[in-house]
Amino acid sequence: GNSVTQMEGPVTLSEEAFLTINCTYTATGYPSLFWYVQYPGEGLQLLLKATKADDKGSNKGFEATYRKETTSFHLEKGSVQVSDSAVYFCALHGGSQGNLIFGKGTKLSVKP
Amino acid sequence: DAGVTQSPTHLIKTRGQHVTLRCSPISGHKSVSWYQQVLGQGPQFIFQYYEKEERGRGNFPDRFSARQFPNYSSELNVNALLLGDSALYLCASSFVLQAGGQGANVLTFGAGSRLTVL
Repeated sequence: GNSVTQMEGPVTLSEEAFLTINCTYTATGYPSLFWYVQYPGEGLQLLLKATKADDKGSNKGFEATYRKETTSFHLEKGSVQVSDSAVYFCALHGGSQGNLIFGKGTKLSVKP
Repeated sequence: DAGVTQSPTHLIKTRGQHVTLRCSPISGHKSVSWYQQVLGQGPQFIFQYYEKEERGRGNFPDRFSARQFPNYSSELNVNALLLGDSALYLCASSFVLQAGGQGANVLTFGAGSRLTVL
């Protein structure tokens, strides 16, 4: 079945460091891909999305490119801030019920 | 414009009890989905409703049930609570049914209802 695999956390970075969170997927066809962010004590917020191969989603300095050949959708940011501390979830839209399938999440902590 | 609202935000129950969680979708959204997020894990799909009909169900026991009302709000019910039901329950709404494939309609999530079963 379809699935999403994210790099294990937690990830701890200093402010202004470069961020990469790896995400790979297994799916039939070409599902839409998403990154959601969850701040402490809150629900999920959509960070960015890509709906077809080679699309680049971007928002708030974060970027991810839909790579069909490597079945990947890695999240990157050139310079992280303390306010980026949160849990990041990679997801694909391709469950058997038309639902989202999420990875386990990667916790990011950014230190001043 | 109000987002997806869920109630209650926190609740504590004991094993064997029943719980009802409520969700109001974004105005104009006709589809509501429910997800369970156990601590340290990603959300797992429970139900999807569209136009008051169940359109999808995840791998959850029959103790879990839901319904959608004419105003598109929704309730999630869990009977005979177990310790393992302790989780954050997330409701999400969208304008159309999630049909899958390219150009998927985006889900907007609420802040969740955190259930603790003792």
